[in-house]
Amino acid sequence: GENVEQHPSTLSVQEGDSAVIKCTYSDSASNYFPWYKQELGKRPQLIIDIRSNVGEKKDQRIAVTLNKTAKHFSLHITETQPEDSAVYFCAARDGGATNKLIFGTGTLLAVQP
Amino acid sequence: DTEVTQTPKHLVMGMTNKKSLKCEQHMGHRAMYWYKQKAKKPPELMFVYSYEKLSINESVPSRFSPECPNSSLLNLHLHALQPEDSALYLCASSQVQGYEQYFGPGTRLTVT
Repeated sequence: GENVEQHPSTLSVQEGDSAVIKCTYSDSASNYFPWYKQELGKRPQLIIDIRSNVGEKKDQRIAVTLNKTAKHFSLHITETQPEDSAVYFCAARDGGATNKLIFGTGTLLAVQP
Repeated sequence: DTEVTQTPKHLVMGMTNKKSLKCEQHMGHRAMYWYKQKAKKPPELMFVYSYEKLSINESVPSRFSPECPNSSLLNLHLHALQPEDSALYLCASSQVQGYEQYFGPGTRLTVT
C-alpha cells in the first residue's frame, strides 16, 4: 500500500522568509496530492492540491510542485506571516482499490514575527 | 452551504455509556468519512461511505458503529468505549471518494 513520508517535522522561519515542506510517496499509481493546514484546536483545512498530470500549481503565496519520477511533492509558502503558523499535513491518494488518502506525519511551522 | 458541521463539539462519556456523534453536509457530496485524530498525529481513517453504502472499514472495533441515514447525514454510534478512544473525531466529505475532502470541526471525545 501507499506510504507517505514528510519532512521536516518542525520548521521555524522569520516572518517574510519562505518555507518549504517536502513529502515522498511510494505508490507510483497515486494521482492526487492535497495539503492540509491545521491550526491548534481547529479542523484540517484543504489549502492546495495537485493532480498527477500537473507539475506545479500556485495560489497567491502558496505553491505545490510534483515530481512524479522521483515520487515527491513539496509545499512552498512565500512571504510567511505569523498566521501561517500551524501544522501542515501532506497526503497522497492511494492508487489501489480503496482510493483513500494516506497522510504524512505533519510539519509544525512556526513563523517568528 | 459550504461547510461540514458536527455535533456535539465536546463529549465526555463513561465506559458503559452509549452516545452518538452526528455529521451533516449540504454540498451534495457523495462520499463521507470518519477519522480519528490523536494529539500531534495525522487524521486516521476509520470508515468511508460512498453513495450511502459502507465502502471502507479500517478494521475498527465494533464498539464504533457508523450509520449513513441519507446522503447528507453521517452518524457514529459509540458503546462501551475505552479511555484510549479519547480523541478528536473528524467527519469529512467529498464529491468523489478520495479527492478534495473537506473536514468538519470535530468532536472532542473524552472517555472516563
